[in-house]
Amino acid sequence: DIQMTQSPSSLSAFVGDRVTITCRASQSINNYLNWYQQKPGKAPKLLIYAASSLQSGVPSRFSGSGSGTDFTLTITSLQPEDSATYHCQQSYTTPTFGQGTRLEI
Amino acid sequence: EERLVESGGDLVQPGGSLRLSCAASEFTFSSFEMNWVRQAPGKGLEWVSYISNDAKTKYYADSVKGRFTISRDNGKNSLSLQMNSLRAEDTGVYYCAREFARRFSYGRRAWFDTWGQGTLVTVSS
Repeated sequence: DIQMTQSPSSLSAFVGDRVTITCRASQSINNYLNWYQQKPGKAPKLLIYAASSLQSGVPSRFSGSGSGTDFTLTITSLQPEDSATYHCQQSYTTPTFGQGTRLEI
Repeated sequence: EERLVESGGDLVQPGGSLRLSCAASEFTFSSFEMNWVRQAPGKGLEWVSYISNDAKTKYYADSVKGRFTISRDNGKNSLSLQMNSLRAEDTGVYYCAREFARRFSYGRRAWFDTWGQGTLVTVSS
């Protein structure tokens, strides 16, 4: 299985800040990388697919980049509702997820 | 709006069985591949199983292979997961997730675009 490692595991930021979450794959996955947001007690919600494509309805302050083994999720102009756990997921082979990054605003 | 609703979660003893269901609505269920994804308490997400739209292809995580069986009924817009020989480590919230795929100039990519609200499975004596 391809291992996905996210960093940091948790972070705190303020409203209006810019944050970056990193996801690293144990082998090259081209751009087979998706990002999800999950709030407590809720199902994950798709944010970014194919590494950099924004899902319909997701605010433009969310963006993704990367290819190969290293990927980033960037959130600009943080809002209170962005407080959540963020998961990366590779779809190159049998799906695997990162361990999650908890973002506190 | 596309919707998935899971049911069937319960408290079950180790070694027991449980059948989860997922009801789909507001989209053409038979056109989509489907998956089960689970989340142990306080942990990350773990993919469990996949089924093609015509049910001819099925995949399982090594952790559940031989114990879980995925199936679907396109006539009833329903997805199921039969779980046997349950273990404590199977405890968690189980989500059904629709797989959406698109062909780009550089190839086909897929992601989970629609999720149910989840159903809790607790394996404990």
